[in-house]
Amino acid sequence: DAKTTQPPSMDCAEGRAANLPCNHSTISGNEYVYWYRQIHSQGPQYIIHGLKNNETNEMASLIITEDRKSSTLILPHATLRDTAVYYCIVRTHRDDKIIFGKGTRLHILP
Amino acid sequence: DGGITQSPKYLFRKEGQNVTLSCEQNLNHDAMYWYRQDPGQGLRLIYYSQIVNDFQKGDIAEGYSVSREKKESFPLTVTSAQKNPTAFYLCASSGRGSGANVLTFGAGSRLTVL
Repeated sequence: DAKTTQPPSMDCAEGRAANLPCNHSTISGNEYVYWYRQIHSQGPQYIIHGLKNNETNEMASLIITEDRKSSTLILPHATLRDTAVYYCIVRTHRDDKIIFGKGTRLHILP
Repeated sequence: DGGITQSPKYLFRKEGQNVTLSCEQNLNHDAMYWYRQDPGQGLRLIYYSQIVNDFQKGDIAEGYSVSREKKESFPLTVTSAQKNPTAFYLCASSGRGSGANVLTFGAGSRLTVL
């Protein structure tokens, strides 16, 4: 079973920040949080990852709670091209049985 | 450019036939994976391999077989024993060094059984 829980779908207005939550209450100390997204009929694409600290790159920001039991992916200015399914997974750097959940389907509304 | 190549992109098969999906990577990654995706669903792990000549079953391995004779190649055979093979198949690879290791995915192969 997946180690993460995400809402099945979310809506966000174009130009606004999209905040996608992920619950990983059983995360262990050496597990990273990764986010990927899958645009329709394509392979998933890596977005960002983190261990303890908040992270930011050109695509998104990742906020991890202090107890590491949940995280939020933030797309600061959502566009129609951000419409996709977003997956949150946790894994160690040596964890080879990588399990995906069903993700969150993000709809960007014009 | 480094990446993963899956072929064919689309494949049609008659019931009772085996079919092999190709996955090749030039990223020098040790680990490779096969996932299956059904419409509106997430990714389910079929098989994975950490090193050459070694692989493990994922959650839905029945009716599938793999081989890992070369580091860069991890072909998946969908056998006639797979009861519902029509799906989108995704191959991925990952490094296994210290620190975080990002999964890189191919573009996918869509198999339809007629």
